[in-house]
Amino acid sequence: QVQLVQSGAEVKKPGASVKVSCKASGYTFTSYGISWVRQAPGQGLEWMGWISAYNGNTNYAQKLQGRVTMTTDTSTSTAYMELRSLRSDDTAVYYCARNWITTSDYGDYEAFDIWGQGTMVTVSS
Amino acid sequence: DIQMTQSPSSLSASVGDRVTITCRASQSISSYLNWYQQKPGKAPKLLIYAASSLQSGVPSRFSGSGSGTDFTLTISSLQPEDFATYYCQQSYRFTFGPGTKVDIK
Repeated sequence: QVQLVQSGAEVKKPGASVKVSCKASGYTFTSYGISWVRQAPGQGLEWMGWISAYNGNTNYAQKLQGRVTMTTDTSTSTAYMELRSLRSDDTAVYYCARNWITTSDYGDYEAFDIWGQGTMVTVSS
Repeated sequence: DIQMTQSPSSLSASVGDRVTITCRASQSISSYLNWYQQKPGKAPKLLIYAASSLQSGVPSRFSGSGSGTDFTLTISSLQPEDFATYYCQQSYRFTFGPGTKVDIK
């Protein structure tokens, strides 16, 4: 079935980097983009950015520009999100999600239809 | 940037109740609005896309309406499995609203 499976929980010290993976299966990886969304404990959802699995184009949330890099490996159908210079407020569950686009007479509509199970990243000294 | 707000932030309801959640965008987003349901410890689930289109497999008691800046998610008859937090999302820059928690009265 169509699914995204993420790597396991991470514990990092402030200033370090973390790289989370998201392996896709059950669909043609290069036909969809992947977004990353994070959720701090007890808080709401924050979109971090998007990468095209077709050509590697990226679009990052302004507040994370310069600290985040999203990449893909089409040979393994895996997307990656690296976050650098970690701070305590980066502690969160990180999700990958598939960008699904549907076309109608009124335009193209995009939503996140498949989600990974989430990866807990804890930043603590 | 387009800001999203939701009201109420939380509500208590009983099984069988009709529940309405409102989402407002800081500027017009046409029908570029999605709704998600999230249960504790789980990833969000897509319910509604393009403001009013029901995602495949989602029960018909869920419906969405609105365009421009004002949108609503309605659950026509609340079921035990519907107790969760609901988020709206604009699909220009994918910003989420702050969420509405629906719990048991």
